[in-house]
Amino acid sequence: NAGVTQTPKFQVLKTGQSMTLQCAQDMNHEYMSWYRQDPGMGLRLIHYSVGAGITDQGEVPNGYNVSRSTTEDFPLRLLSAAPSQTSVYFCASSRGKAQYFGPGTRLLVL
Amino acid sequence: AQTVTQSQPEMSVQEAETVTLSCTYDTSENNYYLFWYKQPPSRQMILVIRQEAYKQQNATENRFSVNFQKAAKSFSLKISDSQLGDTAMYFCAFMKGRSNDYKLSFGAGTTVTVRA
Repeated sequence: NAGVTQTPKFQVLKTGQSMTLQCAQDMNHEYMSWYRQDPGMGLRLIHYSVGAGITDQGEVPNGYNVSRSTTEDFPLRLLSAAPSQTSVYFCASSRGKAQYFGPGTRLLVL
Repeated sequence: AQTVTQSQPEMSVQEAETVTLSCTYDTSENNYYLFWYKQPPSRQMILVIRQEAYKQQNATENRFSVNFQKAAKSFSLKISDSQLGDTAMYFCAFMKGRSNDYKLSFGAGTTVTVRA
C-alpha cells in the first residue's frame, strides 16, 4: 500500500493564480482532512470529509475549497492564491482515531 | 475549540539520556484521545504514541512513554535512551472521543535535538 500520497511536493505560485493540491489514499479510509503548517504553529485544520460527498470546514477554511467525489481522493483547491497561503500542506486519512499523514506539499505564493 | 499548549519551544539532550516534553490541554470533554507526533527533517508526520482518556494506564511504545494526568490536563512525553534519530519536532495533539469526530488540535511543537 502507498498510504497517503500528495502531489506536488513543491509549488511556486504567483498571487491570484489558482491550483489544486492532490491527495489520495489507498487504505479505504472514510475520513480525510487537510491541514496547514506554519512556522511556530502546529498544524491547523482547513477542511475535512467524513465520506464521499460530505465535506465540512475546519479552523481555517477561507480561501480553500474541497470536494470528495470518491473515497480515495480529496483535492484541495486554492481559487486565488495569496501570500498568506504560503505554507506546508498536509493531507491525512483515518478510519479509527489514529490519523495517517501524507508527506506534505510546500507551497510558496509570491 | 480545544487548546493544546506546549511550553517548551526547544530542548536538547545528550545521546542515551532521557528527555521529557510537556503538554497541557484545555477541554470540557470527558472522553478524548491524546497523541504525540514526531516530525523529523523529512517533514513526515509520524504517530509516536496515543492515549485514550478513559484508560488510566499510561501508554508506552518502546523508548517512548507518557505521563497522563487527566485531572491536571497534562500529557507529557518521555523519551528514554535518546538516539540521534530522535532529533525532530514533536507535536502534542488532542481529539474528541465522539464517533465520527476525527479533528485534531495541535500544540505549537517542541524541537528536540539529540547531541552525540
